[in-house]
Amino acid sequence: EVRLVGSGGDLVQPGGSLRVSCAASGFTFSGFWMHWVRQAPGKGLAWISSINTDGSTTNYADSVKGRFTISRDNAKNTLSLQMNSLRAEDTAVYYCARGGRTFDYWGQGTQVTVSS
Amino acid sequence: DIVMTQTPLSLSVIPGQPASISCTSSQSLLYGDGKTYLCWFLQKAGQPPQLLIYEVSKRFSGVPDRFSGTGSGTDFTLRISRVEAEDVGVYYCMQGLLLPHTFGGGTKVEIK
Repeated sequence: EVRLVGSGGDLVQPGGSLRVSCAASGFTFSGFWMHWVRQAPGKGLAWISSINTDGSTTNYADSVKGRFTISRDNAKNTLSLQMNSLRAEDTAVYYCARGGRTFDYWGQGTQVTVSS
Repeated sequence: DIVMTQTPLSLSVIPGQPASISCTSSQSLLYGDGKTYLCWFLQKAGQPPQLLIYEVSKRFSGVPDRFSGTGSGTDFTLRISRVEAEDVGVYYCMQGLLLPHTFGGGTKVEIK
């Protein structure tokens, strides 16, 4: 069974940093692109970052470029998102998702709240 | 960026009746490999999105056959042949052709 379990969400002050993670199981993690998608309170879905199978290629939405860094550890089957210089508008549920051009499995999400 | 536009914003459906959601992209989603990268998700309350349809018309594993997807180029439709109570939630289309992958604004489906 494919499982993606997100963790690391927290309440953080504006300007602060946070690292969220996604633990994968039930499939060959190293064989799939992975993504982060976020959903602000009461809003729709927004793709924010992707990483290829070996971590050599990363992509970011303009809204997070230069502040967020996606990475993966294929030995530990883990996807991560390092978030720096956090802003109030980064408050959202952060989902990891598997796939290239189709996101077939999603994690349950981890809540990040940026507030003083 | 490719803009995805969904209509309607909301839908109230009598159980057993059909429902239809439209999604339009600002450019063709046909890729050079011959595939069209348009998919549909359902997000139930308090849950992550779940994949229903990929590549316009292919049902994902375990998705009931009352869900179907049609379309080509820039115009796409998700149809539910007979809505059931468990189908309530917000439906999103998404283009996987180009980064940034972009989503429609969502269509909320409720039972009348």
